Amino acid sequence: AQTVTQSQPEMSVQEAETVTLSCTYDTSESDYYLFWYKQPPSRQMILVIRQEAYKQQNATENRFSVNFQKAAKSFSLKISDSQLGDAAMYFCAYRRGPGSNYQLIWGAGTKLIIKP
Amino acid sequence: DGGITQSPKYLFRKEGQNVTLSCEQNLNHDAMYWYRQDPGQGLRLIYYSQIVNDFQKGDIAEGYSVSREKKESFPLTVTSAQKNPTAFYLCASTVRLAGISVGTDTQYFGPGTRLTVL
Repeated sequence: AQTVTQSQPEMSVQEAETVTLSCTYDTSESDYYLFWYKQPPSRQMILVIRQEAYKQQNATENRFSVNFQKAAKSFSLKISDSQLGDAAMYFCAYRRGPGSNYQLIWGAGTKLIIKP
Repeated sequence: DGGITQSPKYLFRKEGQNVTLSCEQNLNHDAMYWYRQDPGQGLRLIYYSQIVNDFQKGDIAEGYSVSREKKESFPLTVTSAQKNPTAFYLCASTVRLAGISVGTDTQYFGPGTRLTVL
């Protein structure tokens, strides 16, 4: 069975600096999708970025980028120029392939604290 | 505005009662999902539905039931058989059927319902 591990329960960063959140996963599939979601104090789950496993190029969305290492099964999120509004829980998720009806498997989350 | 709505935002249940959580979407999405979130854990899938009048159990379906009579609506009932129902419940939807658009679906979430057992 697939698993997703976020080894950092909490991270803190100074405003305007860069922080990297770690995520590793375990799978025997070759075609899958990976996501980072943000959950601010409002608890609304918001998609930050997604990565298709067949793409070698790392996904980027403005200040957010990923380092996708398929062989190492690693999917880290880099947040550049951190802002106070980035403070939230960040969840890494793996999307199963066709045989499992595309269910998402979630990590336990990393709490990101932004220091002003 | 298109989106996913969940109601109520807060819900209190007495022991032995069934309660129903509402989830409505006007995004014309085919697939809908219910997740449970507990402190310190990721989301866990309760039920999902990829088409009207059809739904499947997720990883923790025991003590829950759903219906999908309309494309826009996917209510979740927490029954008295659910022994530890206090949690945050999130509803999500996906734009296309998984079988039609392989791997391009992204789940979008409602604001959630906090259920507390008294």
